[in-house]
Amino acid sequence: QQQVKQSPQSLIVQKGGISIINCAYENTAFDYFPWYQQFPGKGPALLIAIRPDVSEKKEGRFTISFNKSAKQFSLHIMDSQPGDSATYFCAAALSGSARQLTFGSGTQLTVLP
Amino acid sequence: KAGVTQTPRYLIKTRGQQVTLSCSPISGHRSVSWYQQTPGQGLQFLFEYFSETQRNKGNFPGRFSGRQFSNSRSEMNVSTLELGDSALYLCASSLPGLPNTGELFFGEGSRLTVL
Repeated sequence: QQQVKQSPQSLIVQKGGISIINCAYENTAFDYFPWYQQFPGKGPALLIAIRPDVSEKKEGRFTISFNKSAKQFSLHIMDSQPGDSATYFCAAALSGSARQLTFGSGTQLTVLP
Repeated sequence: KAGVTQTPRYLIKTRGQQVTLSCSPISGHRSVSWYQQTPGQGLQFLFEYFSETQRNKGNFPGRFSGRQFSNSRSEMNVSTLELGDSALYLCASSLPGLPNTGELFFGEGSRLTVL
């Protein structure tokens, strides 16, 4: 019940296209859902995060869509750029334990020039 | 502002040995968390420390331990190393004083290889 399932495992998108990564969770006690971006040789870095009281959050080209009833959330990257090529991880945390993240398995995104 | 610093960056050990990894958080950050990253299991939470106290612990055997010092620097130790302990160990710091934003600032990790 602590798992976060992420898909797809890998994604190839043309420059300017939309990248979509999906995650699903089971534990309804999760109340914090961040997305992290990781480049090779680097640690993950927070990209954007959402709480279940909103259905969508947008920051620049990055948008999280959240469906509480379906227990799903997704990351949309608009106008994808080669510099976005990285591994993306969704995650979830319980109330009061925001630093104890349960991560998805990751999606390796490649944006072709 | 300096980021999270982890040392050593790379190390090789043999089965049965022990290892200590060090983490210096961002100045002013008082919470330090540790994660293990492997190709098979992905990113898994090890433990979190705040004010020298362990706040949370993940589902890892007792061979994995950690501590935090009064200057917020943290160490983790793995005893009796097994081949499966080969991984990238990531340290992350955060400001727990903020209203549970949860943002973790990760270091570049210590890559441990167990032979």
